[in-house]
Amino acid sequence: NAGVMQNPRHLVRRRGQEARLRCSPMKGHSHVYWYRQLPEEGLKFMVYLQKENIIDESGMPKERFSAEFPKEGPSILRIQQVVRGDSAAYFCASSPGTDLNSPLHFGNGTRLTVT
Amino acid sequence: GENVEQHPSTLSVQEGDSAVIKCTYSDSASNYFPWYKQELGKGPQLIIDIRSNVGEKKDQRIAVTLNKTAKHFSLHITETQPEDSAVYFCAARAPGNKLTFGGGTRVLVKP
Repeated sequence: NAGVMQNPRHLVRRRGQEARLRCSPMKGHSHVYWYRQLPEEGLKFMVYLQKENIIDESGMPKERFSAEFPKEGPSILRIQQVVRGDSAAYFCASSPGTDLNSPLHFGNGTRLTVT
Repeated sequence: GENVEQHPSTLSVQEGDSAVIKCTYSDSASNYFPWYKQELGKGPQLIIDIRSNVGEKKDQRIAVTLNKTAKHFSLHITETQPEDSAVYFCAARAPGNKLTFGGGTRVLVKP
């Protein structure tokens, strides 16, 4: 059973370009979470999605950031007009539900560098 | 919302000694407390978790304790080995809510 798959592993973008980060959850998991990690810091929640629905986007910046989890295909985190401060590791996690028997499993992240 | 504090931020131990990491949380509704280990260049890996109806859980050299009254929980690693060197994160979650992480503890096990 494959784990959470994220791609690309590394992404370099110039200021002003768009970044698209993809996440395929574990098989059977319908809940996806995105977290951001700055160097030497902890994991900050960004957004929680179920298929075709955004459940909680309280950690998402109001501008330039968006996320989706379509009925078919991976979840996408999109960052428009990137700035240097967007450089970070972005981690996706998935779970089969939100009850106590549904731990989050993380992918290995996408490391975004904005030049 | 939930706020999780984690201490210490760095921990250096001699191989074979024990390591203890402590966390406190603020939301009394939280009932799920996982611990993750993150190695360089990788994503967080779940190593153990505890639910609020349990006070202690052990898995080989790793144990977690939970004090719901005081709203704190701890990770204990016994007989540390060099491969235990990593960053460890505690987290807390209330039903239906997101997982909130502590700031992490960098553990270095010296041979």
